[in-house]
Amino acid sequence: EVQLVESGGGLVKPGGSLRLSCAASGFTFKNSWPSWARQAPGKGLEWVGRIKSITDGGTTDYAAPVIGRFTISRDDSKNTVYLQMNNLQIEDSAVYYCYSSHSDWGQGTLVTVSS
Amino acid sequence: DIQMTQSPSSLSASVGDRVTITCQASQDITTSLNWYQQKPGKAPKLLIHDAFNLQTGVPSRFSGSGSGTDFTLTISSLQPEDIATYYCQQYDSVPRTFGPGTKVDIK
Repeated sequence: EVQLVESGGGLVKPGGSLRLSCAASGFTFKNSWPSWARQAPGKGLEWVGRIKSITDGGTTDYAAPVIGRFTISRDDSKNTVYLQMNNLQIEDSAVYYCYSSHSDWGQGTLVTVSS
Repeated sequence: DIQMTQSPSSLSASVGDRVTITCQASQDITTSLNWYQQKPGKAPKLLIHDAFNLQTGVPSRFSGSGSGTDFTLTISSLQPEDIATYYCQQYDSVPRTFGPGTKVDIK
């Protein structure tokens, strides 16, 4: 059974940093291109970014609002993908989801940016 | 970036009604389109991939159609458990944009 478990969310002040983790199991993680999406309270879904598999270059793509502030990385030895978020703003407050394919999503982790 | 629009933004229908939601892309995405269902406090659930392919385990009352820029999600007979918000998402190119969502409830 495919499982994705996010962690690392919490309360952070504007300008602060946070690193989210997404631990995967039940499939061959090293071949996947995991993505992050987010959902602000009461709002719609927003794609954040993704990382390709190492064999496909390991490159990353991001949505415009997070370019230069967020970085996605992976550790295939730990079956884990990370989202490093720097210079967080109030508008980054959201539930952050990772997903490994169109159908396999984690349960989400809440990030709240507030002074 | 490809922009996705959906209509209506919300709808109210009776149990058993046929419900149609449309999604439009700002440029040709062939059939690179997903439909998701999301219930409050839950992760999105994939219903349809590649514009018209029903995801395994999804009831056959859900169907998708379209290609290019115009797409449709149809619920042939609305059930109480279908109360949710529905999103389309294109995966033709990055960023993988979502539509703004359509909230469906029971009249």
